[in-house]
Amino acid sequence: GDSVTQMEGPVTLSEEAFLTINCTYTATGYPSLFWYVQYPGEGLQLLLKATKADDKGSNKGFEATYRKETTSFHLEKGSVQVSDSAVYFCALRSNSGGSNYKLTFGKGTLLTVNP
Amino acid sequence: EPEVTQTPSHQVTQMGQEVILRCVPISNHLYFYWYRQILGQKVEFLVSFYNNEISEKSEIFDDQFSVERPDGSNFTLKIRSTKLEDSAMYFCASSQGSATNEKLFFGSGTQLSVL
Repeated sequence: GDSVTQMEGPVTLSEEAFLTINCTYTATGYPSLFWYVQYPGEGLQLLLKATKADDKGSNKGFEATYRKETTSFHLEKGSVQVSDSAVYFCALRSNSGGSNYKLTFGKGTLLTVNP
Repeated sequence: EPEVTQTPSHQVTQMGQEVILRCVPISNHLYFYWYRQILGQKVEFLVSFYNNEISEKSEIFDDQFSVERPDGSNFTLKIRSTKLEDSAMYFCASSQGSATNEKLFFGSGTQLSVL
């Protein structure tokens, strides 16, 4: 079945540091890939997505590129801010096997950015 | 941006008791979902609901679980006889459509603690 593996946290960075959170996936079919973010006390929010190979999703300075050859969708940001402190979830949604209704998530990575 | 709202934010119950978790999806959305996250584990799909019936469910969603859209606005998850292992954060979500790249809107979750 489909699965997502993402970097174990927690990750602690200083403000303006470079961020990478690794994410790899296994899927039968042609999944869409997502990064969701959960700020303290809030629900999961879509951060960015990519729907086909070589697509780059971007939002709020975050980027991730859909790499089919390495089955990866790593999240990057060049200069993190304290306000980026949150839990980040990599996820996929596949159109194979009739299971296009569900998202498959990774465990989440807690990011803490210190001033 | 429109929001999915969930109540209560925290529910404590005794093992064997019934609980109902409540959600108000975004008003023009047609697809509704429940996910859960046991502490330290992945966010897991439970069930999707469309046109007043379950469209997909996971192995977790056994006979102890049920969902209902009792009126035009609420979407509920019922656990008939709670077990200790049902303790988790439960997320409700909704979407306009069911396409693979569709954005899901999540609520902030209900933390269920079964004692």
